[in-house]
Amino acid sequence: EAGVAQSPRYKIIEKRQSVAFWCNPISGHATLYWYQQILGQGPKLLIQFQNNGVVDDSQLPKDRFSAERLKGVDSTLKIQPAKLEDSAVYLCASSSLRATGTGVRSYEQYFGPGTRLTVT
Amino acid sequence: ELKVEQNPLFLSMQEGKNYTIYCNYSTTSDRLYWYRQDPGKSLESLFVLLSNGAVKQEGRLMASLDTKARLSTLHITAAVHDLSATYFCASGTSYGKLTFGQGTILTVHP
Repeated sequence: EAGVAQSPRYKIIEKRQSVAFWCNPISGHATLYWYQQILGQGPKLLIQFQNNGVVDDSQLPKDRFSAERLKGVDSTLKIQPAKLEDSAVYLCASSSLRATGTGVRSYEQYFGPGTRLTVT
Repeated sequence: ELKVEQNPLFLSMQEGKNYTIYCNYSTTSDRLYWYRQDPGKSLESLFVLLSNGAVKQEGRLMASLDTKARLSTLHITAAVHDLSATYFCASGTSYGKLTFGQGTILTVHP
């Protein structure tokens, strides 16, 4: 089974420029997540999609960040304009709803390799 | 706001020793996840704990969950160099949102 694919792997831009990241989730996974991981910290959820609808975007800086998931498969995350503090690794993850023997549903997430963004 | 706190944040261990990483979370949750991250790499799922009292083991790592105490532990037995990495715990909601801890950087040396 192919994993979560992301591109590009690295990107260097100047502040106030725009940048876009692409993610292709594991086939059949309905839920897709974008995380921001600043150096030395844990990942922070930016946005969660269920199919092509947004479930949670409460931590997405909507004045400069946007994301879409057309047709419920691939997704793009855009930053416009970028700031210095946006330097981070942007991780995409996907999951499928899995029933367990205990009756509790699991959303085990599988992460892509990430895109390392440097804003200068 | 859900908070997830790990301790210690840095752990230097000798090979062959045992140690425990603690993960406390601030609100009711019955889903707790442990991930491993190697330098420059993405996150690898280690354990999914879905009920109070759940215990899972894989090799030298064992994870447990106490939902009443809002505490999960990751126990390392007889550490080896290959276990050197950053370990994250994450608390999950019923619809799949994860809140991660700060991470514990583990270094195992001879």
